[in-house]
Amino acid sequence: GENVEQHPSTLSVQEGDSAVIKCTYSDSASNYFPWYKQELGKRPQLIIDIRSNVGEKKDQRIAVTLNKTAKHFSLHITETQPEDSAVYFCAASYWGTSYGKLTFGQGTILTVHP
Amino acid sequence: GAGVSQSPRYKVAKRGQDVALRCDPISGHVSLFWYQQALGQGPEFLTYFQNEAQLDKSGLPSDRFFAERPEGSVSTLKIQRTQQEDSAVYLCASSLVLAGGSYNEQFFGPGTRLTVL
Repeated sequence: GENVEQHPSTLSVQEGDSAVIKCTYSDSASNYFPWYKQELGKRPQLIIDIRSNVGEKKDQRIAVTLNKTAKHFSLHITETQPEDSAVYFCAASYWGTSYGKLTFGQGTILTVHP
Repeated sequence: GAGVSQSPRYKVAKRGQDVALRCDPISGHVSLFWYQQALGQGPEFLTYFQNEAQLDKSGLPSDRFFAERPEGSVSTLKIQRTQQEDSAVYLCASSLVLAGGSYNEQFFGPGTRLTVL
């Protein structure tokens, strides 16, 4: 089955700095890669996703890049703000004849210091 | 409209007790997933329903875990004879489309935090 590795496990930055979280996956059939943000005690919420036919996607201060050959994808947050502090999870799934169950990474605790 | 809801939000059980966790997906969502999230970890897949059919239960950790969705909407995850290692947050997620359709977001519920003493 799919295996997703996520690094780093914790990340501390100053407000205004950039933050980068990296994930690798094992199953070359995976074709959908969402990123979820989870605040303490809250539900995971999708912040951005990318499909395997796209190399990069941006949405305001966040961007995701995908390297299918190397089987890794990354989340980039620019101009970080204290409200970006949360746990971030990457995930991988296969959409097609399958139904898209998600395999998650272990999570990154991002702390943005004012 | 309302998002995915789960109840109870918190459940404390004594070891050996049976528990039932409820998920109300977004109305009209065909796909429903259950995930288990241990403390400090990412969610792990338990089982998947397409309408009332349970198409994948490969993630259920033991035969003490049972899930159903009899009318294709509300789902219940039941754990029999709970053990301490069952302590976790149980997340439900729903999405709109069937397999083979376009990519579609999974919307998560707030989870049920189960503590087994």
